[in-house]
Amino acid sequence: RKEVEQDPGPFNVPEGATVAFNCTYSNSASQSFFWYRQDCRKEPKLLMSVYSSGNEDGRFTAQLNRASQYISLLIRDSKLSDSATYLCVVKGGDYGGSQGNLIFGKGTKLSVKP
Amino acid sequence: DAGVTQSPTHLIKTRGQQVTLRCSPKSGHDTVSWYQQALGQGPQFIFQYYEEEERQRGNFPDRFSGHQFPNYSSELNVNALLLGDSALYLCASSALPQGDNEQFFGPGTRLTVL
Repeated sequence: RKEVEQDPGPFNVPEGATVAFNCTYSNSASQSFFWYRQDCRKEPKLLMSVYSSGNEDGRFTAQLNRASQYISLLIRDSKLSDSATYLCVVKGGDYGGSQGNLIFGKGTKLSVKP
Repeated sequence: DAGVTQSPTHLIKTRGQQVTLRCSPKSGHDTVSWYQQALGQGPQFIFQYYEEEERQRGNFPDRFSGHQFPNYSSELNVNALLLGDSALYLCASSALPQGDNEQFFGPGTRLTVL
């Protein structure tokens, strides 16, 4: 089982649509959770951290379910500029010596069309 | 305030050669982590340097080595290059090796091995 698994994608949606990304992680000792955004041929950039209580930043809402080891990201009223790859990221736990460093999912590509 | 910088931006090498990639961390950061991102995959952790020592290492062979200098900048060296080493190499800096502080990524070095 992969350490961090995401929807394979790609997601092609019209402007204004609501889109949801799902992610699961394998190590229950993981401590911190994030969503990163990566534009084509660019570096990943932190979109938002994910907390057990859930958190919202404008049109973006992230949720964490520790019992199910499940993370989600919801984008409402999607814009053309939201087109990117969204990476689910987990930190902490003992990933074969990588404790405390970032473990990335494969990423889900989102294309928002006019 | 300059962010994380990396050089070179692109590099083409042949199998068996050696390569050195360079990274300067964001101002105020003392920890540097290196990641490899193959096409269509999420970044994979290679190793992390703090106080001029390798602190953690991911699942990469000894052909991958690194160094951190007193000014916190870092180098990644790859010996005996293989075709499979072709990837985007990302450097990330942070203020501490552990903790919930954000890692900031540089633009990456795109390595092509022929």
